[in-house]
Amino acid sequence: KAGVTQTPRYLIKTRGQQVTLSCSPISGHRSVSWYQQTPGQGLQFLFEYFSETQRNKGNFPGRFSGRQFSNSRSEMNVSTLELGDSALYLCASSLDSSKNYGYTFGSGTRLTVV
Amino acid sequence: KQEVTQIPAALSVPEGENLVLNCSFTDSAIYNLQWFRQDPGKGLTSLLLIQSSQREQTSGRLNASLDKSSGRSTLYIAASQPGDSATYLCAVIDRGNKLVFGAGTILRVKS
Repeated sequence: KAGVTQTPRYLIKTRGQQVTLSCSPISGHRSVSWYQQTPGQGLQFLFEYFSETQRNKGNFPGRFSGRQFSNSRSEMNVSTLELGDSALYLCASSLDSSKNYGYTFGSGTRLTVV
Repeated sequence: KQEVTQIPAALSVPEGENLVLNCSFTDSAIYNLQWFRQDPGKGLTSLLLIQSSQREQTSGRLNASLDKSSGRSTLYIAASQPGDSATYLCAVIDRGNKLVFGAGTILRVKS
């Protein structure tokens, strides 16, 4: 059974540009969450989507946004990139409400902003 | 606000040793607790999921316990091997339906 697939694996962008990251969850999983990992702040929650609706949002500026499609695939967009947005972005999928099933993570997208 | 702390921050042990990684959280109103492993530059691999009604879970050489009342979890690794070298992350699933992570324990097992 295929795992969580994130594309692309690596990205280099220039300050001020925007970027879109993609996540395909495990088949049948309806919950997709996004996390940012940096050496200084560790792993921080960005947002969660369930059945195409954003169910929860972390404490990030409005430049970070996302969406989920009817097939549960999710995209995350960051506009007006800043140097501090350089990070490993991880996507996690879960079967349903996540309360009893736990999360499975993808391999991540390494974003470098120059 | 839920906070998760992991002790120690780093650990270096000789191969074959049994070891314990500690995790504590400030709000006992959690749904589940999940232990992950992360190799350098890679994503997270789930090791064990403990539901809030459970006290422990076992998988191979790994055993994780959960004491909600005291806000603690431990991950026990038996007979450590060099391949166990990685960062181990503890995360609680809180009422906001999100994972709150600790900073991790960097484990090095020397051959």
